[in-house]
Amino acid sequence: GAVVSQHPSWVICKSGTSVKIECRSLDFQATTMFWYRQFPKQSLMLMATSNEGSKATYEQGVEKDKFLINHASLTLSTLTVTSAHPEDSSFYICSASVGHSNQPQHFGDGTRLSIL
Amino acid sequence: AQSVTQPDIHITVSEGASLELRCNYSYGATPYLFWYVQSPGQGLQLLLKYFSGDTLVQGIKGFEAEFKRSQSSFNLRKPSVHWSDAAEYFCAVDEYSSASKIIFGSGTRLSIRP
Repeated sequence: GAVVSQHPSWVICKSGTSVKIECRSLDFQATTMFWYRQFPKQSLMLMATSNEGSKATYEQGVEKDKFLINHASLTLSTLTVTSAHPEDSSFYICSASVGHSNQPQHFGDGTRLSIL
Repeated sequence: AQSVTQPDIHITVSEGASLELRCNYSYGATPYLFWYVQSPGQGLQLLLKYFSGDTLVQGIKGFEAEFKRSQSSFNLRKPSVHWSDAAEYFCAVDEYSSASKIIFGSGTRLSIRP
């Protein structure tokens, strides 16, 4: 149980394009979803927290106009990297939680984004 | 400042040897504590978690961790490692104990010597 699917797993695109990454909870309803960014050989840095039906809460230093997050249903959140540039290349990971205090976050397999 | 520290960046152990990965946190109260494992190019898998109660927590794949309040530590252990245990290990803290934001340590890369 508690499977989180992330799609695509790898994407390469040209500079200036927008890229959408999907995060789905397959067998549970995720009240809260989280988006992380991970640079090579580094830890995960939380970008934003999204609750279903609400605007996402962004961490300090994360441009909300650059990284658009939508959490329209209890099983789907999307991250759109707008007008992507090479510096946006990274590994993006989502996680989902049912939101109760004794339930951990469950992570997707990540999306490797490469901007040429 | 509140933080999670994994002092060992890289550890190499022989297959079959015991393992201990260190984790310290700096929070006033007892937060929720987690250990996750990440294989290259993949997401994170939860190994075990501590919320309350018995301070020795059993996880998947033969891992266990012990919460020591006096030392603000939550070290991960395994009595006998397998080559498949080679991965990156992250200690994490839910600082508000409410399934909210998780703070990750910097990670420890585990290599297994044949």
